[in-house]
Amino acid sequence: DAKTTQPPSMDCAEGRAANLPCNHSTISGNEYVYWYRQIHSQGPQYIIHGLKNNETNEMASLIITEDRKSSTLILPHATLRDTAVYYCIVRPSGGTSYGKLTFGQGTILTVHP
Amino acid sequence: DAGVIQSPRHEVTEMGQEVTLRCKPISGHDYLFWYRQTMMRGLELLIYFNNNVPIDDSGMPEDRFSAKMPNASFSTLKIQPSEPRDSAVYFCASATNSGQYFGPGTRLTVT
Repeated sequence: DAKTTQPPSMDCAEGRAANLPCNHSTISGNEYVYWYRQIHSQGPQYIIHGLKNNETNEMASLIITEDRKSSTLILPHATLRDTAVYYCIVRPSGGTSYGKLTFGQGTILTVHP
Repeated sequence: DAGVIQSPRHEVTEMGQEVTLRCKPISGHDYLFWYRQTMMRGLELLIYFNNNVPIDDSGMPEDRFSAKMPNASFSTLKIQPSEPRDSAVYFCASATNSGQYFGPGTRLTVT
């Protein structure tokens, strides 16, 4: 599975957009980009995923570069409750590894008042 | 939907005892995953099932760990005998063909 690289920590002011980058330069054509977050003492929470097109849902937007080697998760109006560890994960779309998610260290996002 | 349900939420046991963790996945989800999270090792996948069949158990640390899924609505993770290094938060997650949905976890402490 392709590896991902994320900054260990980021800060953001409340009400501003939080842009979390992720590098996945070895991603292959059939691998999806997934984002999860984990708020302290809770289980990880699914945010969004995409293959090659940009995606948006009620929680966030996912921007994937044309070469698919990197992506950015955007929280358009960060709140204090968005303070969490954010994980970028590359997952194959088929085969025996279909269901596997390999969590790295993620990015600790701290939203300040 | 109540989401993924795990029990117990907290478990404290003595070394050598058997521990059984339980999980009820979201109805209709055909994948079920067991993870373990520690400060040192982060979040690790232990085993996952598809349609109640174990697909990949390569993350199970050793023979003391076993997992079963007797039907689509129930799974167990058993540790026998337990050791202090098994202390961790154990998460269960279920999924269809999109995102995984995690339960609240079971915090296991082995003394």
